[in-house]
Amino acid sequence: GESVGLHLPTLSVQEGDNSIINCAYSNSASDYFIWYKQESGKGPQFIIDIRSNMDKRQGQRVTVLLNKTVKHLSLQIAATQPGDSAVYFCAEKHGNNRLAFGKGNQVVVIP
Amino acid sequence: EPEVTQTPSHQVTQMGQEVILRCVPISNHLYFYWYRQILGQKVEFLVSFYNNEISEKSEIFDDQFSVERPDGSNFTLKIRSTKLEDSAMYFCASSDGMQGETQYFGPGTRLLVL
Repeated sequence: GESVGLHLPTLSVQEGDNSIINCAYSNSASDYFIWYKQESGKGPQFIIDIRSNMDKRQGQRVTVLLNKTVKHLSLQIAATQPGDSAVYFCAEKHGNNRLAFGKGNQVVVIP
Repeated sequence: EPEVTQTPSHQVTQMGQEVILRCVPISNHLYFYWYRQILGQKVEFLVSFYNNEISEKSEIFDDQFSVERPDGSNFTLKIRSTKLEDSAMYFCASSDGMQGETQYFGPGTRLLVL
């Protein structure tokens, strides 16, 4: 799968527990941020986004927090399920269109 | 639910050969993108396309690369003379109009250059 050979930070979490994935972004001028989930052999799947004029946004079982002071983004997953096992990427909008992706975090859910 | 599709899923080619990777973006979307992911590395932006022209490209997107929207549904990435270092997963994405907002990705084409 896609994760073979990757040396990613890995978060192991018990099924039912909450997960927190962190991301540091680079450009203080970025105004839009997205979290993507990538399962083995698949493309990035949109999870949740947030604009720079907000510091928190909630979706279904997921919450994104943005701290512009320290250029930090986090994704919280509530009641983690086996289907949440994947690599999670944060991305920031640079320029007009391009997204700049972070390195990714592997989440492994232990049943 | 509408989704971005890509063909082929896998492509093996000899160095120096031309390849064309194909994408069908979500039908009402206006912005189209190509990204690539070399194994073990981050997803990298290649190019964005709007209104039948390139709107932005990265330093990776050199003269060996080109994009085209040959008809109302397809969006293609051509690599004219492939190099070993072009081996990667290539992802197509599309968004519905606001610049850079919610880009939806296809499943990717795994390109292997021998």
